[in-house]
Amino acid sequence: DARVTQTPRHKVTEMGQEVTMRCQPILGHNTVFWYRQTMMQGLELLAYFRNRAPLDDSGMPKDRFSAEMPDATLATLKIQPSEPRDSAVYFCASGWDTGELFFGEGSRLTVL
Amino acid sequence: GENVEQHPSTLSVQEGDSAVIKCTYSDSASNYFPWYKQELGKRPQLIIDIRSNVGEKKDQRIAVTLNKTAKHFSLHITETQPEDSAVYFCAASIYGNQFYFGTGTSLTVIP
Repeated sequence: DARVTQTPRHKVTEMGQEVTMRCQPILGHNTVFWYRQTMMQGLELLAYFRNRAPLDDSGMPKDRFSAEMPDATLATLKIQPSEPRDSAVYFCASGWDTGELFFGEGSRLTVL
Repeated sequence: GENVEQHPSTLSVQEGDSAVIKCTYSDSASNYFPWYKQELGKRPQLIIDIRSNVGEKKDQRIAVTLNKTAKHFSLHITETQPEDSAVYFCAASIYGNQFYFGTGTSLTVIP
């Protein structure tokens, strides 16, 4: 049963620290998405990759967030420096051109 | 870009009754409309989807309808059960490029 794998599942850090979240998309998928979920905002798109190329990161605060896909098996989302308002659950999702999107279990981030 | 609106934000129904969640979209190029169910503390999971060449699709107690002219689509759950309680998200996409999600509907089924 293929799944999107995210690490870490939980992260508690102090304000100002760097946070890196990792995602292994399902083998063969060519699209990868990063979403942020808070109680108030629903699923907020942060970044979108197709065939490892970044196509849309307009929803991502550029001054502190960055997203990369160094290879087809790894996508990363980095926050530097982290702030308390970044506390949320970060979901990675992958898919292919037929449309269905598969979500990982999420990374719950708490910034103190 | 695409704008997806979802209503209602919360919905409570008695067990056995039906539940309907509605979404509208703005981009007529959108052609794929999935619905995701998210249980508390879990990841969103696809429960049903519909493509623009189809007006209705059913899967047991769940059905989705699409009106391309009016740019709206709806999720229908019949004979609701307590395990249907969750947050439901609609989304619109163009051939799997970009997924624009609605703001979610928290459904509570009262036993």
